[in-house]
Amino acid sequence: DIQMTQSPSSLSASVGDRVTITCRSDQDIRTFLNWYQHKPGKAPRFLIYGASTLQSGVPSRFSGSGSGTDFTLTISSLQREDFATYYCQQAYSTSWTFGQGTNVDIK
Amino acid sequence: QVTLTESGPVLLKPTETLTVTCTVSGFSLSDSRMGVSWIRQPPGKALEWLAHIFSNDAKFYRKSLKSRLTISRDTSKSQVVLTMTNVDPVDTATYYCARHEGMTGGFDIWGQGTLVSVSS
Repeated sequence: DIQMTQSPSSLSASVGDRVTITCRSDQDIRTFLNWYQHKPGKAPRFLIYGASTLQSGVPSRFSGSGSGTDFTLTISSLQREDFATYYCQQAYSTSWTFGQGTNVDIK
Repeated sequence: QVTLTESGPVLLKPTETLTVTCTVSGFSLSDSRMGVSWIRQPPGKALEWLAHIFSNDAKFYRKSLKSRLTISRDTSKSQVVLTMTNVDPVDTATYYCARHEGMTGGFDIWGQGTLVSVSS
């Protein structure tokens, strides 16, 4: 299976901060990379597909980039509702795998 | 409106068989663009994909759990069922079903999840 590694595992930030989360795969997955937001007790939310395309309804402060093995999720100006855990997921191989998650909490 | 709703047992004993059901609405399990996966999250841990069923009834499983998992569907009831045999306390998790959308390659709609605990 393709292994996905996120960094950092957690971070503390303030409203208005720019936040960047990194995701690395252990083999080339081109741009078959998705991002999700997950809040406790809620269903995960699909944010970005194809490494950089925003899912419908996702605010433009979210952006994604990367290809091959290295990817980033950026939140340009963190809002209160963005405090959550974020996961990357590779869509290259049908044996889909997620990163371990990055918890974004309030500083 | 597309929804997925999971249902299943709250508590199981080790060695028992887990059966969780996902009832979908707002789309057809026969839609060629769609499929349904089961994904779980043990307490305090990451999301873990388990199994998937495509619109053509093709099935795929997590390699490490393949011998214990079976995914099936009943299109007339709009349900996708996952069974896991010989459960262990490490199988304690919230079990989610999620719709997989072919164009994006992502899980675009998720259920709220159902918490299953395994304990003697």
